[in-house]
Amino acid sequence: EDKVVQSPLSLVVHEGDTVTLNCSYEVTNFRSLLWYKQEKKAPTFLFMLTSSGIEKKSGRLSSILDKKELFSILNITATQTGDSAIYLCAARVVAGNQFYFGTGTSLTVIP
Amino acid sequence: DAGVTQSPTHLIKTRGQQVTLRCSPISGHKSVSWYQQVLGQGPQFIFQYYEKEERGRGNFPDRFSARQFPNYSSELNVNALLLGDSALYLCASSLFLDLSNQPQHFGDGTRLSIL
Repeated sequence: EDKVVQSPLSLVVHEGDTVTLNCSYEVTNFRSLLWYKQEKKAPTFLFMLTSSGIEKKSGRLSSILDKKELFSILNITATQTGDSAIYLCAARVVAGNQFYFGTGTSLTVIP
Repeated sequence: DAGVTQSPTHLIKTRGQQVTLRCSPISGHKSVSWYQQVLGQGPQFIFQYYEKEERGRGNFPDRFSARQFPNYSSELNVNALLLGDSALYLCASSLFLDLSNQPQHFGDGTRLSIL
């Protein structure tokens, strides 16, 4: 059965801390892994990863994929209260353009 | 530019009723996908449509159906509603059928509550 597992399920940190969110996947015909940030409503796109070992970076956020060990991490440095959200990862498979989402990590950043 | 728009934003129905949810993709986007997000869970893939044809289907019963119109907007229909259908229904659009190198852009969703 195809599945994506995220950990931790929830996290509470103080402003300025660095956090690492984990995503492991077991899917057939893996194509790419995506990270989204979901605040109240629409998930907003953060990163798409297709190759192992190549870090993608956007400001204080960065992400990397390990296709051998079947996982990805999302790092957020110098966290701010605006980073509070649910972070979703999704594995895309070839067949039918399907995406399998994890349950998300709920991040709360307190001042 | 307008993003993905969905209507209505909220909907309350009773068991056994039928519902139609609507989605307008970003201008120029030809692919629309539908997802169901139950509270506390990640989105689950329901359908993908491209050029008015179904191109992918998740593990949902036949009570769920969808279609895409010539202007690329889409409707999701759910018949014989069950309590378990209560969820946020998300629509996502993308330019092309192949999602290999392009992300999907999500709408704000329709919150469906079944009483």
